[in-house]
Amino acid sequence: GIQVEQSPPDLILQEGANSTLRCNFSDSVNNLQWFHQNPWGQLINLFYIPSGTKQNGRLSATTVATERYSLLYISSSQTTDSGVYFCAVRGSQGNLIFGKGTKLSVKP
Amino acid sequence: DTAVSQTPKYLVTQMGNDKSIKCEQNLGHDTMYWYKQDSKKFLKIMFSYNNKELIINETVPNRFSPKSPDKAHLNLHINSLELGDSAVYFCASSQGPGSSGNTIYFGEGSWLTVV
Repeated sequence: GIQVEQSPPDLILQEGANSTLRCNFSDSVNNLQWFHQNPWGQLINLFYIPSGTKQNGRLSATTVATERYSLLYISSSQTTDSGVYFCAVRGSQGNLIFGKGTKLSVKP
Repeated sequence: DTAVSQTPKYLVTQMGNDKSIKCEQNLGHDTMYWYKQDSKKFLKIMFSYNNKELIINETVPNRFSPKSPDKAHLNLHINSLELGDSAVYFCASSQGPGSSGNTIYFGEGSWLTVV
């Protein structure tokens, strides 16, 4: 099956810093999503981005499907950005296959 | 209005008990899922239903039985609960199974603790 790898596994930032999170996947996909799991456990949809670039406020994402990776950019990080960021791709049966996540801690 | 809602949000129960978690979606989607998030935060598919038919059944103990009375509901029943069943269970829904280019939406999770 498809393998999804995320890096780095852990990231500590000072408030105001920028960061890039990476997601590599082992096979071609036509569906990729980024999620933020906040400290309360809620899974929040950030982007549906099978290819190209999207921006939403301080967050943006780019997927290069031909090279099998996606990047999530966080600019001017805030303490509320803390949590775990998951990348997930759609398997052949329709379910999402998740990476192990990047745990982000933003310090004030 | 919550798009995908699960109840209960928190559940603490003793080993050996039987419990159910309910899920409802008001998005008009035809596909629903159950995911399990373990203590290491790893999210993995358990079951998926499309129009009330089971289409994904991963390697899950048969103590876990999903039931879909209609395409807006997917409940998860767990028999003879064990300590290792303690986890967060997420319900999700989407329009269409397969490699469809549609977003999957998640509920807020149900925290199950078996003591």
